[in-house]
Amino acid sequence: GAVVSQHPSWVICKSGTSVKIECRSLDFQATTMFWYRQFPKQSLMLMATSNEGSKATYEQGVEKDKFLINHASLTLSTLTVTSAHPEDSSFYICSARDLGQGDTDTQYFGPGTRLTVL
Amino acid sequence: GQNIDQPTEMTATEGAIVQINCTYQTSGFNGLFWYQQHAGEAPTFLSYNVLDGLEEKGRFSSFLSRSKGYSYLLLKELQMKDSASYLCAVRVVSTNAGKSTFGDGTTLTVKP
Repeated sequence: GAVVSQHPSWVICKSGTSVKIECRSLDFQATTMFWYRQFPKQSLMLMATSNEGSKATYEQGVEKDKFLINHASLTLSTLTVTSAHPEDSSFYICSARDLGQGDTDTQYFGPGTRLTVL
Repeated sequence: GQNIDQPTEMTATEGAIVQINCTYQTSGFNGLFWYQQHAGEAPTFLSYNVLDGLEEKGRFSSFLSRSKGYSYLLLKELQMKDSASYLCAVRVVSTNAGKSTFGDGTTLTVKP
């Protein structure tokens, strides 16, 4: 099946620093990738939709200047958390749509990145 | 937006059958997904329904009724490893690449 990787799997950083998270589709091309955030015992909250070659679409309440998204190629999207603060500590998960699955249009999730901001 | 409801927690016995329900209210419905998520891990795809009816895949089956805004995930021959959170997600037709909205998830505990 389709495989999506994320790097790093976990990161600890100091408050005020920036952290970049990579999301890669390994065996398929993904024109669209999604970035989610999940707090403990809560569901996934969509942050933004990343479109290859164009600007990301952010959900209401998500600061686009704080969460920078770059979808540089059909297999790579990056999320940069700028000037991170402790409240940004969360589990960040990306997913990619495999259009090769036809109408199913399934999203395949990366393994997630656990961010801890001290 | 979409309003998705599913039970918060369920408990079942190893070897038994359990049904996890999901109801939704949305416009522009374009498919319903079920995902399994173990603690600390990312969700994994289980099933997809866009037409009414039952989709069977091994021990897992998923049912959809579009007119009722209702779906269920049926797990048969439960195993201990099935203890996880099960997420119902609804996709709508939109200009935004068909994004999905997730329910809060149902935490299933399988007991011996």
